[in-house]
Amino acid sequence: QVQLQESGPGLVKPAETLSLTCTVSGGSISSYSWTWIRQPPGKGLDWIGYIYYSGTTSYNPSLKSRVTISVDSSKNQFSLRLNSVTAADTAVYYCARGGSKYGSDAFDIWGQGTMVIVSS
Amino acid sequence: QSVLTQPPSASGTPGQRVTISCSGSRSNIARNTVNWYQQVPGTAPKLLIYSTNQRPSGVPDRFSGSKSGTSASLAISGLQSADEADYYCSTWDDNMNGHVVFGGGTKLTVL
Repeated sequence: QVQLQESGPGLVKPAETLSLTCTVSGGSISSYSWTWIRQPPGKGLDWIGYIYYSGTTSYNPSLKSRVTISVDSSKNQFSLRLNSVTAADTAVYYCARGGSKYGSDAFDIWGQGTMVIVSS
Repeated sequence: QSVLTQPPSASGTPGQRVTISCSGSRSNIARNTVNWYQQVPGTAPKLLIYSTNQRPSGVPDRFSGSKSGTSASLAISGLQSADEADYYCSTWDDNMNGHVVFGGGTKLTVL
């Protein structure tokens, strides 16, 4: 059974870079697409972007200039980097799997989420 | 401001049928399939409906999805207290090289 687990700092200073990693267990990362989604406190879901195992990426146009998603197949992990963060980037960050039999943009497996606060 | 518009809240009594709407445009819902997610507060979202009207294994047939033009709907029949959650629609938007968009979410209360 495939499981996802986010990891990374829970507190990031303004103007610095937010870095998170998602570890895939119970299956290979060398298939599907791998996605980051965030949810500000009390608000809705915000798609950040995804990466295919081949390395092809797609990003939210509103975040594209600040976002990089990468994959490390040797570690069965994929990562998110969001630079120049502000308080508006405070959110629960989820990693998720797409591209399964449910469709390219249907996310069928999710991590539990990790809260990231941007504050000095 | 979300690209897809959902009512902020919906409610019903046990056993009732409720529907949640999701309004989009020609660049998203009209051209692409719609997915729905259920999120119980404090937990990660769960895929509820995919490809507009298909249920993943394990999702009861009380949940159904449909689409017409630029709008989609999620229907829940035989409402149960366990259905109390936030519901989000999502689809692909063809603008700006394409990207995933979500609705703002609908909080369903079972009275």
